[in-house]
Amino acid sequence: LAKTTQPISMDSYEGQEVNITCSHNNIATNDYITWYQQFPSQGPRFIIQGYKTKVTNEVASLFIPADRKSSTLSLPRVSLSDTAVYYCLVGERSRGSQGNLIFGKGTKLSVKP
Amino acid sequence: EAGVAQSPRYKIIEKRQSVAFWCNPISGHATLYWYQQILGQGPKLLIQFQNNGVVDDSQLPKDRFSAERLKGVDSTLKIQPAKLEDSAVYLCASSLWTVSGNTIYFGEGSWLTVV
Repeated sequence: LAKTTQPISMDSYEGQEVNITCSHNNIATNDYITWYQQFPSQGPRFIIQGYKTKVTNEVASLFIPADRKSSTLSLPRVSLSDTAVYYCLVGERSRGSQGNLIFGKGTKLSVKP
Repeated sequence: EAGVAQSPRYKIIEKRQSVAFWCNPISGHATLYWYQQILGQGPKLLIQFQNNGVVDDSQLPKDRFSAERLKGVDSTLKIQPAKLEDSAVYLCASSLWTVSGNTIYFGEGSWLTVV
């Protein structure tokens, strides 16, 4: 299973764009990259998932370079409510294997007014 | 759509006592997971069920932890006897595999404090 490395913490201000980069040098051909968000006292919540290039949804964008050894989660115009821990995970998306995703410590994002 | 339900939300027990947590996954989700999350760390998978069969329990401390998923729906996680280091949040999650992928949905967790 590919291990991920991401910053322990990041600070930002309301209205700014936040980019959180995750390194996964040992990513395998069948691996997908998934990001989760976790607020205090809640379980993690799925944000976005991708395999290569760029994926965008209503919440965030995910940029994955051609070598797939890293990925960047982009949060446009953050607000105070985006203060949370963000986890980058790598693993197979095939049937029955998603549960083997390994959560690291995540990136604690603090958004200030 | 109802999410993953867990109970109790909070529990305080003394060491060597036992405790049980209950989980009701999202309707129709075949896969159910139990994670342990210690304060300041990411969730760690304890056990994964596919319907009522165990797929992965390699990180479950089987001398004190047990889990079952009767009839392939609800699940219970039991700790007996509890140790101080079992203080954590126990997260239940479920997922449904489709051609577009397998997204895991988490419950709010059951907070355990062992004193």
